[in-house]
Amino acid sequence: NAGVTQTPKFQVLKTGQSMTLQCAQDMNHEYMSWYRQDPGMGLRLIHYSVGAGITDQGEVPNGYNVSRSTTEDFPLRLLSAAPSQTSVYFCAVTAGSYEQYFGPGTRLTVT
Amino acid sequence: GQNIDQPTEMTATEGAIVQINCTYQTSGFNGLFWYQQHAGEAPTFLSYNVLDGLEEKGRFSSFLSRSKGYSYLLLKELQMKDSASYLCAVPILGAGNMLTFGGGTRLMVKP
Repeated sequence: NAGVTQTPKFQVLKTGQSMTLQCAQDMNHEYMSWYRQDPGMGLRLIHYSVGAGITDQGEVPNGYNVSRSTTEDFPLRLLSAAPSQTSVYFCAVTAGSYEQYFGPGTRLTVT
Repeated sequence: GQNIDQPTEMTATEGAIVQINCTYQTSGFNGLFWYQQHAGEAPTFLSYNVLDGLEEKGRFSSFLSRSKGYSYLLLKELQMKDSASYLCAVPILGAGNMLTFGGGTRLMVKP
């Protein structure tokens, strides 16, 4: 089993461009989430989903969009990239006991 | 709201014991988590405390005092591979099983 996979691993965007960060899981868990991690600020929740067709906003949702059409996939869309969105993005899957399994991360730079 | 504080950096010697503290403020409590994150990698789950007291798991132990809003992670017999960031986290109220994280404590283990 791959667990949680994310693509791409690295990405450079220009201000105003859009892109989608992919996240997929083969663990068959309902709860998935996206976090961003900036130096000294820990991880902050962007959006999350408690099952297919259900999404909700986290702590820092502005500038991001999500959808959940299947249990396996939870893509994160940047609508119009800004330098403030330069960060490392982690997708996570939550097991029933609250334990979260994180993907390897996507390192995004917006110039 | 929720607020989590932990020291930014700590240094310890190989073979020694180190205690990493975490204080939190939350209007409701549903457990406290510790994660380990090596540089350039994803966080990995270490422990989950929901009741007061000490939970031991090999060289790592985690303590919780709900009345004091306080937790610590105790690492014994330090090894060089324990050099990493240690993240304290609590569930976000009303956001399923999603977490809010402290800024992390970067531990450097020296020979």
